[in-house]
Amino acid sequence: QVQLVQSGAEVKKPGSSVKVSCKASGGTFSSYTISWVRQAPGQGLEWMGRIIPILGIANYAQKFQGRVTITADESTSTAYMELSSLRSEDTAVYYCAVVLPHDSGWFDPWGQGTLVTVSS
Amino acid sequence: EIVMTQSPATLSVSPGERATLSCRASQSVSSNLAWYQQKPGQAPRLLIYGASTRATGIPARFSGSGSGTEFTLTISSLQSEDFAVYYCQQYNNWYSFGQGTKLEIK
Repeated sequence: QVQLVQSGAEVKKPGSSVKVSCKASGGTFSSYTISWVRQAPGQGLEWMGRIIPILGIANYAQKFQGRVTITADESTSTAYMELSSLRSEDTAVYYCAVVLPHDSGWFDPWGQGTLVTVSS
Repeated sequence: EIVMTQSPATLSVSPGERATLSCRASQSVSSNLAWYQQKPGQAPRLLIYGASTRATGIPARFSGSGSGTEFTLTISSLQSEDFAVYYCQQYNNWYSFGQGTKLEIK
């Protein structure tokens, strides 16, 4: 059963960038699609984008186009989400999740989440 | 973008009673709908996919129904551990989530 472990909490200045990692274990990384979802404090879930590592293809929600970059390193079974031009509204917990059954479906399992705080 | 609307925003139910949560899609998503449970400080947990299939390890008191634009999550006899926030998600056309229903103890 695949497990996802994310990098630790980050504090960033407005205008900077953040890169969050998501390491998979217990499965075949190249066979998975990984999505990224964020959750602002006290708010709901918001899909940001996904990557299909075996194809090297990433797709992004329109809201984040041009500001988010999702990549994957098959050699380390790790996916990354980089968000640039940070503003206070980007303060949130960022989750990665495996997409099942293939590249379009439900999310299971999820990483533990990474809190990103944007503050001057 | 498909907009998912959940109702009610908050539901107060006593332990042992039945809870019924609703989710509506702005256009048909067929049966491409999932339900998640989230407790404070935790990541969401998959409960239901394909509108009605329970995920591995999910108790039988959780059931999902519906297709097209109207969906329901039913918890037949509430246990203390079921009080949480529940989200629906469509995966028919990319992905979008409802705003959540908070299930609280009455």
